[in-house]
Amino acid sequence: DAGVTQSPTHLIKTRGQQVTLRCSPKSGHDTVSWYQQALGQGPQFIFQYYEEEERQRGNFPDRFSGHQFPNYSSELNVNALLLGDSALYLCASSVGQSSYNSPLHFGNGTRLTVT
Amino acid sequence: AQSVAQPEDQVNVAEGNPLTVKCTYSVSGNPYLFWYVQYPNRGLQFLLKYITGDNLVKGSYGFEAEFNKSQTSFHLKKPSALVSDSALYFCAVRYGSARQLTFGSGTQLTVLP
Repeated sequence: DAGVTQSPTHLIKTRGQQVTLRCSPKSGHDTVSWYQQALGQGPQFIFQYYEEEERQRGNFPDRFSGHQFPNYSSELNVNALLLGDSALYLCASSVGQSSYNSPLHFGNGTRLTVT
Repeated sequence: AQSVAQPEDQVNVAEGNPLTVKCTYSVSGNPYLFWYVQYPNRGLQFLLKYITGDNLVKGSYGFEAEFNKSQTSFHLKKPSALVSDSALYFCAVRYGSARQLTFGSGTQLTVLP
């Protein structure tokens, strides 16, 4: 049973470029959340997708956008990259958008470096 | 606003000794509390959670955590540490209808052989 898979594992981009990160949730999960983990910090919530709609958003600018597909997989897009966007981007899946006591299942992340 | 604090950036303990990793949370309703562990270049793995009920929660790999409402704490514990427990540990909280987890800044645990 595959867990949460993310691609690519590593990515190097130049300031001002755009990037797309991909996530496939754990089998049976229908909700995908994205988190940004800067070096030496805890993960910070970017947004959550359920039924192909953004359901909640953290304190991130509109340069960060996402999408969820009918098969529950998801993409995170970041436009106009800044040096400060360099981080580990984590995808997490769960069952149902309102399962507040359910743990999240995380992928291994995509390491984005902006130069 | 919901928040958690992990007051120690680094905890060192000798193998075989008990370990404690501290976490406190801000008071706002009834919290759902979680502990996750992160190994180098990996995602986060769920260890345990407190929702309601017994204040002592048992989780994976022999870890347990004690919920203390009066002290607003949720410390992670293990009776006998292993070298393989060395990793980065995160406490997280979710309140009410909020869909996201709010994480602490993490505590690096090093178990010395």
